[in-house]
Amino acid sequence: GAGVSQSPRYKVAKRGQDVALRCDPISGHVSLFWYQQALGQGPEFLTYFQNEAQLDKSGLPSDRFFAERPEGSVSTLKIQRTQQEDSAVYLCASSQGNSGNTIYFGEGSWLTVV
Amino acid sequence: AQSVTQPDIHITVSEGASLELRCNYSYGATPYLFWYVQSPGQGLQLLLKYFSGDTLVQGIKGFEAEFKRSQSSFNLRKPSVHWSDAAEYFCAVGLAGGYSTLTFGKGTMLLVSP
Repeated sequence: GAGVSQSPRYKVAKRGQDVALRCDPISGHVSLFWYQQALGQGPEFLTYFQNEAQLDKSGLPSDRFFAERPEGSVSTLKIQRTQQEDSAVYLCASSQGNSGNTIYFGEGSWLTVV
Repeated sequence: AQSVTQPDIHITVSEGASLELRCNYSYGATPYLFWYVQSPGQGLQLLLKYFSGDTLVQGIKGFEAEFKRSQSSFNLRKPSVHWSDAAEYFCAVGLAGGYSTLTFGKGTMLLVSP
């Protein structure tokens, strides 16, 4: 596609509910990143995929967070048993691969846990 | 650990006036440096990036930034601000080589007055 596409754009979840956020990267992009952006803060790294391999998940805040990219294209970020502190914008980004390549961001999925 | 400091949370500039947004970084290795802009409800758009070479880099929308290694700074400038520049601006640093996760500052909100 023309850009990184994320869905849903907005999600309201009740505390304790599981949510799944989808990311469609730019076609052909090898690298895929997830970031979390709390209100009034800059984005913070969650996890990184190179094709289908999750090479870095050091930023995932707890074992309730899980990400996958089974076929090296679309990725899903799953949050189990959501809590209020999970309320944030979840940004997906992709790039062609090397660190010298531009990282393109999607518009984000806005999660509110009530 | 790497860190990025944007000392100004908000800045108000009159339309037509010049702009400088400050960014300081702490990084143990050779950094890649970026400026992104985020409009309300939107994702992050890359304004410019510095990898190596000329320390003054030109970006989109008339923005430029200067890398000063001795000051660990990468300040963003624009000679004449337009009302449409009102947005939040994020400075980010990445590691040269390999894949590069980005560490972001907390952002500076730019307000443009008539």
